[in-house]
Amino acid sequence: RKEVEQDPGPFNVPEGATVAFNCTYSNSASQSFFWYRQDCRKEPKLLMSVYSSGNEDGRFTAQLNRASQYISLLIRDSKLSDSATYLCVVNEGFQKLVFGTGTRLLVSP
Amino acid sequence: EPEVTQTPSHQVTQMGQEVILRCVPISNHLYFYWYRQILGQKVEFLVSFYNNEISEKSEIFDDQFSVERPDGSNFTLKIRSTKLEDSAMYFCASSETSRPAASYEQYFGPGTRLTVT
Repeated sequence: RKEVEQDPGPFNVPEGATVAFNCTYSNSASQSFFWYRQDCRKEPKLLMSVYSSGNEDGRFTAQLNRASQYISLLIRDSKLSDSATYLCVVNEGFQKLVFGTGTRLLVSP
Repeated sequence: EPEVTQTPSHQVTQMGQEVILRCVPISNHLYFYWYRQILGQKVEFLVSFYNNEISEKSEIFDDQFSVERPDGSNFTLKIRSTKLEDSAMYFCASSETSRPAASYEQYFGPGTRLTVT
């Protein structure tokens, strides 16, 4: 079983749409969870940490379900600039980040 | 906003040559990391570094690899004898501390694209 599993997409959505990405992770001992965004051939940029209570940052909402080992990201009112690959990332131990392969989002006019 | 910087942005080298990739982490950060991403694949952890020593390393990080913090600002990754399969984007990252949870957040530099011919 892959450590962090994501649907690779692509998800093609029109501007203004709401889109949701899901991710599952295999290590039940993982303690920290993140969503990163990666543009083509660029570095991963931290989008948000994911907390047990769920958290929201503007148009972005992240949820964590520890029992199901499942993380989600919801993007509301999609913008053209949201087009990117969204990486689900889990911390193993204290320091090592384990990345999913990413879900590609394409927002069209 | 403080950021991680890396040099060079692109390095081309011949198989068997040594390369040194350089990074300047965010100034108040204490933990430093190297990751790599082979084209079309996921980002993979190589090594973490704290208090002038390696704290964790992956299976990829074999004897050909080494890391060093030669001064108060730079953090380097050396590959002693490069192989074709070392061709990848190498990202440096840093974090403030490993605890509490919010400080697990790692910030990445723009990467060095290494091409081994």
